[in-house]
Amino acid sequence: GAGVSQTPSNKVTEKGKYVELRCDPISGHTALYWYRQSLGQGPEFLIYFQGTGAADDSGLPNDRFFAVRPEGSVSTLKIQRTERGDSAMYLCASSLLHGDEQYFGPGTRLTVT
Amino acid sequence: AQSVAQPEDQVNVAEGNPLTVKCTYSVSGNPYLFWYVQYPNRGLQFLLKYITGDNLVKGSYGFEAEFNKSQTSFHLKKPSALVSDSALYFCAVRDLGTYKYIFGTGTRLKVLA
Repeated sequence: GAGVSQTPSNKVTEKGKYVELRCDPISGHTALYWYRQSLGQGPEFLIYFQGTGAADDSGLPNDRFFAVRPEGSVSTLKIQRTERGDSAMYLCASSLLHGDEQYFGPGTRLTVT
Repeated sequence: AQSVAQPEDQVNVAEGNPLTVKCTYSVSGNPYLFWYVQYPNRGLQFLLKYITGDNLVKGSYGFEAEFNKSQTSFHLKKPSALVSDSALYFCAVRDLGTYKYIFGTGTRLKVLA
């Protein structure tokens, strides 16, 4: 079956603009995670959804970052007033249940100019 | 706080030789430990996990990892390396107090023909 998909694959935006990054998890996976990966670093946890609700958003760096998963499948990560420091690869992963192995998407590379 | 360390940025090994990629962890309680691999231009892929039970865990592509509680290590191993094993490897620990997964900084494995 289809894996986790993320769109767009690349996003270039100007400082101060608003961006949305989309994640389509594997069908039937209830757990969904967003991570941010900077060059030379491992993935950094941002937020975890169990179904429609954000069970843990403690990794979101500040209130410019927000994520939703309104129907328990597709999720959108939203970044307001983007800053150059937000430039990174944003990864989405899903798993059947929390604690299971995660299946990662290819990522969205965000560049803020 | 839970943490994971990968002390080597890069490991070089000749094809056919055994390989080891090191990981140490710091947790309170019993650890849930994972290894993921990232090939160029591809998303992270799950290799194996340790939850409980046998200290030697077998995973995908002939990889295995040994959980050592006294040394707080979870080193990744393979008896005979292939050139195609060349990739970036990440160790991760699940934070049992939250829903976070904490990843190491990664080790680049280079298998030389």
